[in-house]
Parts: sequence; C-alpha cells; structure tokens
Amino acid sequence: NAGVTQTPKFRVLKTGQSMTLLCAQDMNHEYMYWYRQDPGMGLRLIHYSVGEGTTAKGEVPDGYNVSRLKKQNFLLGLESAAPSQTSVYFCASSYSRAGVAHNEQFFGPGTRLTVL
Amino acid sequence: GQSLEQPSEVTAVEGAIVQINCTYQTSGFYGLSWYQQHDGGAPTFLSYNALDGLEETGRFSSFLSRSDSYGYLLLQELQMKDSASYFCAVRTGGYNKLIFGAGTRLAVHP
Repeated sequence: NAGVTQTPKFRVLKTGQSMTLLCAQDMNHEYMYWYRQDPGMGLRLIHYSVGEGTTAKGEVPDGYNVSRLKKQNFLLGLESAAPSQTSVYFCASSYSRAGVAHNEQFFGPGTRLTVL
Repeated sequence: GQSLEQPSEVTAVEGAIVQINCTYQTSGFYGLSWYQQHDGGAPTFLSYNALDGLEETGRFSSFLSRSDSYGYLLLQELQMKDSASYFCAVRTGGYNKLIFGAGTRLAVHP
C-alpha cells in the first residue's frame, strides 16, 4: 500500500495563477483533511471531508476550494494564488469505526508551494 | 478563542528522559493527540488520550488531566533519532478535526 500520496511535491506559482493539489489514499479511509503548515506554526485545517461527495470548512478555508468526487481522492484548489498562500500543504486521512473517525490521522509527504 | 501552548524548544542528552507539556483552551474537547515530525517529513501519530491518566507505548508515554486542561508527552531512553518536532493537538469532535499547537523542537545530543 502506498498510503497517502500527494502531487506535486513542489510548485512555484505567480500571484493570480491557479492550481490544484491532488491527494490520494489507498486505505479506503472515509475521512480526509487538508492542512497548511507555516514556519514556527502547527498545522491548520483548511477543509475536510467525511466521505465521498462531502466537504466542509476548517479553520482557514478562505482562498481555497476542495472536491471529493471519489472516495480515494481529495483535491485542493487555489483559484487565484496569493503570496500569503506560500506554505507546505499536507493531506491526511483517517478511517471510520462505528461511524466515528478513528484517532490516528495518516499524513501524506506534503506539497511545498511558493507563490511569488 | 482556541489555543494550545507548548514550549518551543527542548534540549536533552541521549539516554535521558524529557517531558513536553501542553496546555489547551478550546471550545470542544474529545481528546489530546501527539504527533512527531522530522525535518522535511510528514507528521506521524504517536498517541491519543481521551481520559485522564497515563498511556504508555514503548519508550513514549502520554498523560492527560482534563480538569487542568493539561497534558504531556514523556520520552524515555532518548535516542538521536528522537530529534524532531512534537505537536500536541486537540480533537474537537467526532470527525477528528484537530487543532494543533505550534510544536516543540526536541534536540537530542550525544
């Protein structure tokens, strides 16, 4: 099993450009999450999904959109990138036990995004 | 507001014991998680406490006191490979939404 994978690993954008980050998991997990991590800070939740076709806002959702068309994939979109979105983006997933998310989140390797 | 406080840096020597504290103030609380992150790597899950008391997993233990809004991670028999950042995170609901602390950077020296 590959676990949680993220594409791309690195990307440089110019202000105003758009892009989509892809997260894929092969563990059949129900729950998926997108975080951003800035220097000296912990991870902050951007959006999350509790199952295929569902999405919800996290702590810092502004400037981002997400989609979960397939259970194994969770896409994060930046419609008009800004320098403030320069960050490392992590995707995570967790499985469901009796309809409740399990405690452990499994993280992907991250995408390092720079917006000039 | 919601906040988690943990020390920014801790230094220790190989073989020693170190304790990383975490105090939290959140609007919802299901439990306290700990994650480890090596430089350039992804966070990995270490432990979770939903109830008061100590949970032991090998060299690592985690403690929670809900009445004090306080927890700690205890690392014993430190090894060089334990040099990493450690994050406490509060689980705020059934969907395992997490609020992370800013992290504690642990440096283990010979």
